[in-house]
Amino acid sequence: NAGVTQTPKFQVLKTGQSMTLQCAQDMNHEYMSWYRQDPGMGLRLIHYSVGAGITDQGEVPNGYNVSRSTTEDFPLRLLSAAPSQTSVYFCASSSRGLAGREQYFGPGTRLTVT
Amino acid sequence: GDSVTQMEGPVTLSEEAFLTINCTYTATGYPSLFWYVQYPGEGLQLLLKATKADDKGSNKGFEATYRKETTSFHLEKGSVQVSDSAVYFCASIGGGSYIPTFGRGTSLIVHP
Repeated sequence: NAGVTQTPKFQVLKTGQSMTLQCAQDMNHEYMSWYRQDPGMGLRLIHYSVGAGITDQGEVPNGYNVSRSTTEDFPLRLLSAAPSQTSVYFCASSSRGLAGREQYFGPGTRLTVT
Repeated sequence: GDSVTQMEGPVTLSEEAFLTINCTYTATGYPSLFWYVQYPGEGLQLLLKATKADDKGSNKGFEATYRKETTSFHLEKGSVQVSDSAVYFCASIGGGSYIPTFGRGTSLIVHP
């Protein structure tokens, strides 16, 4: 049971490039989400999904797209990277079956946009 | 909307000192409450939780009690170690929701 996995761990992009951050979970969790973490800003929710085929925007969705074609995978796409998207990105998952619905987090992707 | 407020950091302590990190919440209904810990370079991991009033969550020597009357969930540890140095996040989640509300995080630095 690998939990929540994220790839890559580190990435450097040039302004205007696109890329996809991968997230997968093997716990059959319905709920998955993406956060960014910046110094002094805590965690900010980008997008989330409550099941395959269902996604919605969080607090800071601009510049990011998501899709959820399977229960296991929830990729985050940066369409045209900007320096303001330099951050650490975390994927998380949860299930209504868990008492209290605790979140399981991946190890993070550290993205630098130059 | 729901909110979680936790004390600003960093909190700097000597090894074996007593730790308290304050957390208060506002929410409709009866949320579940959590403390997550983030060690340097890692993702968040659940430290402890409480799902109803007066519950006490505990793990690795840390404790927190769900106080409905004061809407609080303060984190305590009797004797901290250098290895407890990390960022601690308080969080709540409402009864019918999937989306947690996180505090800003409190950095703890423990010196030998």
